[in-house]
Amino acid sequence: DGGITQSPKYLFRKEGQNVTLSCEQNLNHDAMYWYRQDPGQGLRLIYYSQIVNDFQKGDIAEGYSVSREKKESFPLTVTSAQKNPTAFYLCASSPISNQPQHFGDGTRLSIL
Amino acid sequence: QKEVEQNSGPLSVPEGAIASLNCTYSDRGSQSFFWYRQYSGKSPELIMSIYSNGDKEDGRFTAQLNKASQYVSLLIRDSQPSDSATYLCAVNIGDSSASKIIFGSGTRLSIRP
Repeated sequence: DGGITQSPKYLFRKEGQNVTLSCEQNLNHDAMYWYRQDPGQGLRLIYYSQIVNDFQKGDIAEGYSVSREKKESFPLTVTSAQKNPTAFYLCASSPISNQPQHFGDGTRLSIL
Repeated sequence: QKEVEQNSGPLSVPEGAIASLNCTYSDRGSQSFFWYRQYSGKSPELIMSIYSNGDKEDGRFTAQLNKASQYVSLLIRDSQPSDSATYLCAVNIGDSSASKIIFGSGTRLSIRP
């Protein structure tokens, strides 16, 4: 089945640690996105990529990094510089930008 | 002014009635509009896309777009308890070279039996 796979479903981070969230899609979509959602809040864009080897900062990129070495994959690293990382992280993709986005099941990140 | 605004709710509607969800946006050049449904603890799922003025119907859902008023709405007919969720409005902002989709903060809908 075509879709977006995020892993892990739950992740715990220790102080000073970097953690990487995985996002893989087999929909052959060019565009991929990372969002953060805090309880009771909307989605905030962290990073997005419209094509392989290119990505742009969203509204809250500080403390995060991404790479887009393959069309199928868009991993997000939450660095130790992100002081309040506890949130629900959602990865999405679309055929091209401005077309509807399809979401993975999300990763819940908490601090130990 | 926020780029995409929604009333956070909660909006309480009796079962079988019409639920009306509203969204306003700031960018007059926006061309693409989406409604997503998000159940608690789950990821958003796309339920409607609309690109031109007027109404678009899909089953019990109708999206309405008025670009002159910068307003998009979602009507849910014959509301069911399973419609209880948060509904997110999403709009593209910016020109084609630097366009991105902005999500509103969502309206929480509760269908009461």
